[in-house]
Amino acid sequence: DAGVIQSPRHEVTEMGQEVTLRCKPISGHDYLFWYRQTMMRGLELLIYFNNNVPIDDSGMPEDRFSAKMPNASFSTLKIQPSEPRDSAVYFCASSFGPGTGSNGYTFGSGTRLTVV
Amino acid sequence: QQQVKQSPQSLIVQKGGISIINCAYENTAFDYFPWYQQFPGKGPALLIAIRPDVSEKKEGRFTISFNKSAKQFSLHIMDSQPGDSATYFCAASQTYAGKSTFGDGTTLTVKP
Repeated sequence: DAGVIQSPRHEVTEMGQEVTLRCKPISGHDYLFWYRQTMMRGLELLIYFNNNVPIDDSGMPEDRFSAKMPNASFSTLKIQPSEPRDSAVYFCASSFGPGTGSNGYTFGSGTRLTVV
Repeated sequence: QQQVKQSPQSLIVQKGGISIINCAYENTAFDYFPWYQQFPGKGPALLIAIRPDVSEKKEGRFTISFNKSAKQFSLHIMDSQPGDSATYFCAASQTYAGKSTFGDGTTLTVKP
């Protein structure tokens, strides 16, 4: 398996623009997580899905953020409109079960978002 | 109660030395404690994990020590190597809760 695949790897956009981050989880994994990593706040859980259903979105910072998982092999995180404070590395992770087994979470390589 | 406090923030160790990173938690319902290793430009990767029914788990040069009464756990890296230089995150979760709480991370530098 190629692991968790995220695209794009880097995104530079202007303030006010819409940004869409994409994630393909590992086949067979039934949990998908979106995390944001910054120097100031570390790794923050934004939202997670189980069997394509959003379970907990309490970490989504504002209504400007939305996430979807239309099927088991694809998820998106959208920011509209984007702001400079959204600049961060966004990680997608997937797991078989809630990530408390022997393999834990498998993270993608992340999308580095810069909003100017 | 969901916080996991990790220390130190950064650590410099000589090659061959022992690296020790500590974490403390509050929620006694946590029953799974993994450590993740992250290299620059990569996502975190599971390194080793422990459940509270044992006090220690060892995998190669990496050992987790767990103190249930103190609600603390630590990662020990024996014979530290320059290739171990990375950021290490502890985490805690409840089985079936579906999400983990991560510590703030420790940047380890192993000098040759």
